[in-house]
Amino acid sequence: GAVVSQHPSRVICKSGTSVKIECRSLDFQATTMFWYRQFPKQSLMLMATSNEGSKATYEQGVEKDKFLINHASLTLSTLTVTSAHPEDSSFYICSAYGTGGFEAFFGQGTRLTVV
Amino acid sequence: SQQGEEDPQALSIQEGENATMNCSYKTSINNLQWYRQNSGRGLVHLILIRSNEREKHSGRLRVTLDTSKKSSSLLITASRAADTASYFCATDPFYSSASKIIFGSGTRLSIRP
Repeated sequence: GAVVSQHPSRVICKSGTSVKIECRSLDFQATTMFWYRQFPKQSLMLMATSNEGSKATYEQGVEKDKFLINHASLTLSTLTVTSAHPEDSSFYICSAYGTGGFEAFFGQGTRLTVV
Repeated sequence: SQQGEEDPQALSIQEGENATMNCSYKTSINNLQWYRQNSGRGLVHLILIRSNEREKHSGRLRVTLDTSKKSSSLLITASRAADTASYFCATDPFYSSASKIIFGSGTRLSIRP
């Protein structure tokens, strides 16, 4: 199946700094990618839909100024957590639909720890 | 907001037994998918069932879909220790033009040796 690569897999940062997470579709083009956040022992919550060449669409309650999304090419979307705080510590996962359009493929996830 | 609710939230069974997990959702859907997640890892796609399908099989997995009840079930037969993981149903809401996938609350499955 299609491959979605996410980087880094783990990151520890100091409170107040910004962290960028990359999501790449390796063998297909993705005009739309999705970003999820998952707290321990909870489900995945959709944060935003990343659209190539246009602004991201954020879910209700997600601060767009805090979670900056850029989808500058058909194979790369980035999520930047700005001015990170300990409560932003979470598992972040991206996904994109394969060329068939029905099955979504997920990145390996990024474990963010803010200290 | 989450689309689906799953039950049970946690399930512990003996190796070799069958495991059944249920998922209910709220709105009309295009399709429903089941995913597995090992602790702290990414998601593995298990099976997709379309809204016009009622049952689907893949190896030891059997998925049913009842659109009238807005529910689905995942059956894992002859469970193995390696099946220990969290299982999520995910729906593609019919109202969503972006085809975003909304996840259920998940079932944590533990297989006892």
